[in-house]
Amino acid sequence: AQKITQTQPGMFVQEKEAVTLDCTYDTSDPSYGLFWYKQPSSGEMIFLIYQGSYDQQNATEGRYSLNFQKARKSANLVISASQLGDSAMYFCAMREGDSGGYQKVTFGTGTKLQVIP
Amino acid sequence: EAGVAQSPRYKIIEKRQSVAFWCNPISGHATLYWYQQILGQGPKLLIQFQNNGVVDDSQLPKDRFSAERLKGVDSTLKIQPAKLEDSAVYLCASSPQGGRLAGGKETQYFGPGTRLLVL
Repeated sequence: AQKITQTQPGMFVQEKEAVTLDCTYDTSDPSYGLFWYKQPSSGEMIFLIYQGSYDQQNATEGRYSLNFQKARKSANLVISASQLGDSAMYFCAMREGDSGGYQKVTFGTGTKLQVIP
Repeated sequence: EAGVAQSPRYKIIEKRQSVAFWCNPISGHATLYWYQQILGQGPKLLIQFQNNGVVDDSQLPKDRFSAERLKGVDSTLKIQPAKLEDSAVYLCASSPQGGRLAGGKETQYFGPGTRLLVL
C-alpha cells in the first residue's frame, strides 16, 4: 500500500479563492508527523506546515492550514486567498520511525496547483 | 545561517559515463539525505546518513550508485555507470537530528538540487 497518496495530479483555483489539496496516509507508527512542501518551477523544496500525530489542534501557518482527520488518515492542505505565486507543485510527506529508531520520510506524488488571475 | 549547498546545479553526460554530486548540509545538522526526483514524481529517498553512518540505503541501486559522508559533514553521491533512467533532479537535505528522539516539528531543509540529464 502507498504510504502517502495524493489523488489530485492537477488543480486550478481562481486568484483570492481558497483551495484544498488532498493527502491520505498509511502508517502503523503511533508517533508520526505530516508535512507539506511547496516546489516552484525553480526546483527548491519549501517547507510550509507540519502536523504531529499527537497534536490536538489543526496546524496553521499564515494562509496555510492543515485539515487533520486522524481517524480517516487524511491531512489535507488548505490555502486561503490564493495568490499567483502559489502556483507550484505541492507535496505531502510523512515522517515515521523505523525499527532502528531513526526517522523515515516518505513523499507523495504531488499536486500541481495553478492559480488563475 | 547558510542553507544546504549543492553542486553542480546542472550536469549533462552520456550513458555509461560517471558523475558525482556534492552536498554541504547546514552546519551542525546530524542527518543528511539524498533524494532522487524524476520529472513529475515526488522525491524518493536514496540514502540517509546519521553523522557519518548509513541508516537507510534500501532504495539505493548499489550496483551503480554510491555515497559517502566523510567526517559527518559533506557528502558525495556517485553514479557509475549512468543509465538513461538516471535523468532526474538529485536533492540533498539535512535535518538537525533525524532520530526518533528528535520528534516534534523537525523538518528537512533542502538544497537547490542538481539536475542530471543522461543522453
